[in-house]
Amino acid sequence: NAGVTQTPKFQVLKTGQSMTLQCAQDMNHNSMYWYRQDPGMGLRLIYYSASEGTTDKGEVPNGYNVSRLNKREFSLRLESAAPSQTSVYFCASSPPNEKLFFGSGTQLSVL
Amino acid sequence: GESVGLHLPTLSVQEGDNSIINCAYSNSASDYFIWYKQESGKGPQFIIDIRSNMDKRQGQRVTVLLNKTVKHLSLQIAATQPGDSAVYFCAQGPNRLAFGKGIQVVVIP
Repeated sequence: NAGVTQTPKFQVLKTGQSMTLQCAQDMNHNSMYWYRQDPGMGLRLIYYSASEGTTDKGEVPNGYNVSRLNKREFSLRLESAAPSQTSVYFCASSPPNEKLFFGSGTQLSVL
Repeated sequence: GESVGLHLPTLSVQEGDNSIINCAYSNSASDYFIWYKQESGKGPQFIIDIRSNMDKRQGQRVTVLLNKTVKHLSLQIAATQPGDSAVYFCAQGPNRLAFGKGIQVVVIP
């Protein structure tokens, strides 16, 4: 039972570099989410997708783009990484108005 | 209860005692509330949830209490074990869950 799978688990970038964080779920959930977690700040929503083909901004969308490739996959892209984007990123999925299932996270450092 | 700042509030509990973790929420329109547990280096893990038409729900060793009048949510853990040491988050919904900043629970053997 894979659940929510995120890749990579760790990444170091230089300022200005770009990268895409990948997320896939095998639970046939409609909704998918990207959160970032910073020390003492809890989890903050970056973007979410209520269903395939739709995406919406969350609390902290600046500097990020997302793609809901199909029902299973939801990717997060940093076009030009900044040190302020150093964080742990979590992908999650859920049925409508139900609990979220989280991946194990991607630890990103931007130097 | 939860608070702002860089350092998480900490609740120290003796092994075998009961733990109570409190959370104040802000959105009175929320109808779905949930508790997550996060161990170091892992993603948040679901513990228990409750909808606004209830004021209490019990799981295995855990109970969630909801007081809508004062917008307060609590998690009770019975007979706390070392494996309960983690950061606990409350969240409110629906759909776009808004998370609190977390409380660190430390179980003292």
